[in-house]
Amino acid sequence: SQQGEEDPQALSIQEGENATMNCSYKTSINNLQWYRQNSGRGLVHLILIRSNEREKHSGRLRVTLDTSKKSSSLLITASRAADTASYFCATVPSNDYKLSFGAGTTVTVRA
Amino acid sequence: GAGVSQSPSNKVTEKGKDVELRCDPISGHTALYWYRQSLGQGLEFLIYFQGNSAPDKSGLPSDRFSAERTGGSVSTLTIQRTQQEDSAVYLCASSFLGLNEQFFGPGTRLTVL
Repeated sequence: SQQGEEDPQALSIQEGENATMNCSYKTSINNLQWYRQNSGRGLVHLILIRSNEREKHSGRLRVTLDTSKKSSSLLITASRAADTASYFCATVPSNDYKLSFGAGTTVTVRA
Repeated sequence: GAGVSQSPSNKVTEKGKDVELRCDPISGHTALYWYRQSLGQGLEFLIYFQGNSAPDKSGLPSDRFSAERTGGSVSTLTIQRTQQEDSAVYLCASSFLGLNEQFFGPGTRLTVL
């Protein structure tokens, strides 16, 4: 069963705008990871945030984690056409090692 | 190679045939995972190998599915007597340890006619 659930399912924005997507999960976690997938093939790891961290940055990406609400958000600033992809959150439970993926958010950046 | 590689990239087979999918993980990575992704869906965990430990097969959907990892490196996922519902993209990933970020291969798109 899927642990993470992304919201919204789809997002369409204008180039230059920011894109925000959210992820909710059910059980306590060791860490939460965000991945990007282009064209339905291999996934690219974007960022990992551990359970004792609240915010991480990587380039134009900003991830927050609220363990009390069991939720995370991914913000992409100043979006580009190349950011068009599906974005997945994945959690590693506290007592396990398997990544559990949500269904993803499809982001379309219009030029 | 620098990344995870998978072969073949595409496989079309007839219902009832057996297929083998191959994954070459990043050298030195101890953990290897297989996932399945159906059209428009998230990833479904299939099986996990960590070092010399017994694999976690809890995600395999039926006994038609099996996987092995030889010498702690290359892995093969075998699907026997394929069914149309097996059609999906099969993704392999590796990581240095079980809790770390995973590096994915490009996947094998399996189509069962």
